[in-house]
Amino acid sequence: NAGVTQTPKFQVLKTGQSMTLQCAQDMNHEYMSWYRQDPGMGLRLIHYSVGAGITDQGEVPNGYNVSRSTTEDFPLRLLSAAPSQTSVYFCASSYYRGPTDTQYFGPGTRLTVL
Amino acid sequence: AQSVAQPEDQVNVAEGNPLTVKCTYSVSGNPYLFWYVQYPNRGLQFLLKYITGDNLVKGSYGFEAEFNKSQTSFHLKKPSALVSDSALYFCAVRDPGGNEKLTFGTGTRLTIIP
Repeated sequence: NAGVTQTPKFQVLKTGQSMTLQCAQDMNHEYMSWYRQDPGMGLRLIHYSVGAGITDQGEVPNGYNVSRSTTEDFPLRLLSAAPSQTSVYFCASSYYRGPTDTQYFGPGTRLTVL
Repeated sequence: AQSVAQPEDQVNVAEGNPLTVKCTYSVSGNPYLFWYVQYPNRGLQFLLKYITGDNLVKGSYGFEAEFNKSQTSFHLKKPSALVSDSALYFCAVRDPGGNEKLTFGTGTRLTIIP
């Protein structure tokens, strides 16, 4: 299994540009989520999904959109990038059997918005 | 609301000495607690978790953690530190009565000095 994969690894955007961060998993996990990691702030949940066709907002959803058309893929869209969105983004997945489940993380995407 | 505190941003330990990385939590009920490790330019890797039962939990790479309900703590420990243990460590908590949301601490950078 490849586990959780993310593309691209690095991205530089100009303010106002849009882009999509890709996330895929091959473990048949129902639950997928996006986090951003900023220095001194740990990881903060942006959006999550408990299955295909179902998404919900996390702690910091503003400026981001998600969709979940398949079990495997969970892309994160930035419609109009802002410098405040400069961060490292992690996708994670787990089975949806309950809160004891372990989340598996992708390698991350480092995004810089100029 | 659930929360996690990692009071030390940085911990330095000599190689071969025991190490402790501190974590305290706040949840409304009995917590589910997790430790993750992040190596440079990598995603988070699961180390161990406490769900119920024995207060001493053993995990990957020789790490263990002790759950202390009265002190609301879940400190990560290792009897003999290796240089390869140098990394960023995150404690996380999940409310058993809530959803899948995982709340992370701000992280502790562990440096093992040869």
